[in-house]
Amino acid sequence: DVVMTQTPVSLSVAIGQPASISCKSSQSLVGTSGKTYLNWLLQRPGQSPKRLIYLVSKLDSGIPDRFSGSGSETDFTLKISRVEADDLGVYYCLQGTHFPQTFGGGTKLELK
Amino acid sequence: AVQLVESGGGLVQPKESLKISCAASGFTFSNAAMYWVRQAPGKGLEWVARIRTKPNNYATYYADSVKGRFTISRDDSKSMVYLQMDNLKTEDTAMYYCTAWLDYWGQGVMVTVSS
Repeated sequence: DVVMTQTPVSLSVAIGQPASISCKSSQSLVGTSGKTYLNWLLQRPGQSPKRLIYLVSKLDSGIPDRFSGSGSETDFTLKISRVEADDLGVYYCLQGTHFPQTFGGGTKLELK
Repeated sequence: AVQLVESGGGLVQPKESLKISCAASGFTFSNAAMYWVRQAPGKGLEWVARIRTKPNNYATYYADSVKGRFTISRDDSKSMVYLQMDNLKTEDTAMYYCTAWLDYWGQGVMVTVSS
């Protein structure tokens, strides 16, 4: 199975400051179609996960452009340009290129 | 809007069975690969089972941890997906989420296995 390694495990950020989360896969996530199936999810406290970004960098509808995704092959990054209170929770990366789909271990974003 | 609503969770004893359900709406259910993903208390997300669509022969796949004990099924006429869980173990205790393509998620249903 593809191992997804997220760092850091936790992140303490002040409101208005930037945040960055790394996700590394144990093998390339470029599929046979040429697409890279790497998603980012946010799980707010007490809620179910919600997809924020798909195909590395495409924002879901309603997701503010403070969020951005980048990367290729095995190295990916989620960035928040200015953290807001509503951004707190656990962020997961998810690869959908290889079966079985696998999740990163999660990064908990907290307020400083 | 896409909506996934799970039901049927609860407290069961080890070795017992439980069937949880998920009602889908807001999208063409018959076109969706459906998954069950679980999250043990305080832990991360674990993919449990997947069922593909009719053109893909409703193929099913399972995590090694549940293979032989869990069965995923779907009823396209009702836009429902199910997870039959047999021979439950204490380590199956988790919130179980129904998801469409791993893109849209339900609110989850809690399954507790304890004597």
